[in-house]
Amino acid sequence: AQSVTQLDSQVPVFEEAPVELRCNYSSSVSVYLFWYVQYPNQGLQLLLKYLSGSTLVKGINGFEAEFNKSQTSFHLRKPSVHISDTAEYFCAVSYYTGTASKLTFGTGTRLQVTL
Amino acid sequence: DGGITQSPKYLFRKEGQNVTLSCEQNLNHDAMYWYRQDPGQGLRLIYYSQIVNDFQKGDIAEGYSVSREKKESFPLTVTSAQKNPTAFYLCASSDRDRGHYEQYFGPGTRLTVT
Repeated sequence: AQSVTQLDSQVPVFEEAPVELRCNYSSSVSVYLFWYVQYPNQGLQLLLKYLSGSTLVKGINGFEAEFNKSQTSFHLRKPSVHISDTAEYFCAVSYYTGTASKLTFGTGTRLQVTL
Repeated sequence: DGGITQSPKYLFRKEGQNVTLSCEQNLNHDAMYWYRQDPGQGLRLIYYSQIVNDFQKGDIAEGYSVSREKKESFPLTVTSAQKNPTAFYLCASSDRDRGHYEQYFGPGTRLTVT
């Protein structure tokens, strides 16, 4: 079975400071990893994804994540956050059951950026 | 523009009434999904469909029903049997030809049942 753990439910940070949102996964098969962002009362938007290849993945809005197989982690980072980055962030793992592809989500991390 | 539309954005119902949430996509995707989102619990899969006229239960299907008569449409009915229906509902789709890995989400419907 696949599972995703987001260790921090909330992360407060000052504007222009760096941030890291942590994500750990467990899986018995090959995984494909995603970070999504959700602004209040909206759907989810894909930030970035790891399918294969380079373990450092760059996404939209200046975010990046590093896939670490030995530590089963896929942490999200941004070197300098902006007020507009305030949102909920979800880590997810995709897996194929043999008949269908599914996503398992973490419980989310709320990033609160203040001046 | 291609995308997923969900209507309405806000929906209010009295307890004991069935309610149907709409989901339409023009991305030509084969697979469609319904999720429920509650505070602090992330997204939980209700139902999914890989092709027209076929669908499977997800992790929390009790009290819900779906249909997939057209590729573009995947409506969700919240029945009176759902004990705690108040939640934010999200529809998503994915492209079978790309391995279904990435899902695209609609804007969501917030259902309040009193």
